[in-house]
Amino acid sequence: GENVEQHPSTLSVQEGDSAVIKCTYSDSASNYFPWYKQELGKRPQLIIDIRSNVGEKKDQRIAVTLNKTAKHFSLHITETQPEDSAVYFCAAEEYGNKLVFGAGTILRVKS
Amino acid sequence: EAQVTQNPRYLITVTGKKLTVTCSQNMNHEYMSWYRQDPGLGLRQIYYSMNVEVTDKGDVPEGYKVSRKEKRNFPLILESPSPNQTSLYFCASSLRVGLYNEQFFGPGTRLTVL
Repeated sequence: GENVEQHPSTLSVQEGDSAVIKCTYSDSASNYFPWYKQELGKRPQLIIDIRSNVGEKKDQRIAVTLNKTAKHFSLHITETQPEDSAVYFCAAEEYGNKLVFGAGTILRVKS
Repeated sequence: EAQVTQNPRYLITVTGKKLTVTCSQNMNHEYMSWYRQDPGLGLRQIYYSMNVEVTDKGDVPEGYKVSRKEKRNFPLILESPSPNQTSLYFCASSLRVGLYNEQFFGPGTRLTVL
C-alpha cells in the first residue's frame, strides 16, 4: 500500500520568511495530493491540493509543487505570519478511495 | 450549518468497558471515515464507508468496529478498549468516494483508556 514520508517534523522560521515542507510517496498510481492544516486543539482543514496532471498550484501565499517522476510533492508558504503556526499534514490517495497521511510537520513562526 | 459532529468530545474509561463514539454529518455525504491521531504518527485510518451498509478496513482496524445503517451516521465502537487505544479520534466525511473530494473533519474525540 501507499506510504507517505514527511519532512521535517518540526520547522521554525522567522516571520516574513518562507517555509517548505516536503513529502514523498511510494505508489506511482496515486493521483491526488492534498495538504491539511491543523491549528492547536482544532480539526484538520484542507488548505490546498494538487492533481497529478498539474505540476504546480498556487493560492495566495501558499503553493504546492508535484514531481511525479521522483514521487515527491512540497508545500511552500511565503511571507509567513504567526497565524501560519500549526501542524501541516500531507496526504496521498490510495486506490481512489482513501487518503494516507504523512506524520505531520509542526511549523512555528517566530515574530 | 454544514458540519460533522462527534460525541463525546472527551472520554475517560477503563479497560474492557465497551464504548461508542458517534459521528454525524448533515451534508448528505456518501463517504465517511474514522482516523486516530497519535504524536509522530499523523492521521491513520481505522475504517471507512463508501455508502450505507458498505464499510471497509483502513490501516489500523484492530480492536474497532463500525456500522453505517444511515447515510448521516457512522459510529465507532470499541468492544473492549485497551490502553493502546488512548488517542485523539477524528471522524471525516466527503461528498463522494474517490479522487479530489475534500474531507471535512469533525471536532475530535479525546479518549483515555486506563
